[in-house]
Amino acid sequence: GNSVTQMEGPVTLSEEAFLTINCTYTATGYPSLFWYVQYPGEGLQLLLKATKADDKGSNKGFEATYRKETTSFHLEKGSVQVSDSAVYFCALRGANAGKSTFGDGTTLTVKP
Amino acid sequence: KAGVTQTPRYLIKTRGQQVTLSCSPISGHRSVSWYQQTPGQGLQFLFEYFSETQRNKGNFPGRFSGRQFSNSRSEMNVSTLELGDSALYLCASSSGLASGQETQYFGPGTRLLVL
Repeated sequence: GNSVTQMEGPVTLSEEAFLTINCTYTATGYPSLFWYVQYPGEGLQLLLKATKADDKGSNKGFEATYRKETTSFHLEKGSVQVSDSAVYFCALRGANAGKSTFGDGTTLTVKP
Repeated sequence: KAGVTQTPRYLIKTRGQQVTLSCSPISGHRSVSWYQQTPGQGLQFLFEYFSETQRNKGNFPGRFSGRQFSNSRSEMNVSTLELGDSALYLCASSSGLASGQETQYFGPGTRLLVL
């Protein structure tokens, strides 16, 4: 079945540092890949997505590229802010469109 | 457009009781999926409803059930509650018509505490 492996956290960075959160997946066919963010006490918000190989998703300074050859979708941001502190989830959706498969989540804390 | 809404936001129940959670999807969306989020198991898929029919199901016991109404609102029911059912229950909506390329939009969740 489908699975997502995410970089273990927590991750603590200083403001303006570079962020990378690794995500690799196992899936049959050609899944779509997503990054969601969850702030304390809230649900999941879509951060970005990519639907086919070599697509780059981007939003609010975050980027991730769908790499089929390495089955990866790593999240990056050039300069993090305190407000980026949250839990980040990598997810995929395959042919079973009603179901998303999630990684375990990575907690990011950005210190001023 | 209004987002996905879930009610209630918080619930406290005791073991053995049952509970019903409600989810109203984004207007025009016909697919509603439910997920359970716990610190130990992460986000796990419960089931998906599309046009009032259960289309997909995860690996949860029969105590977990759901339904969808003609206006696409969905309810999830858990009977004979156990301590391990304490979790954040999230619902997500999408049009349900496209392939896996479309985004699922999540509600704020219902936090259930079983004592």
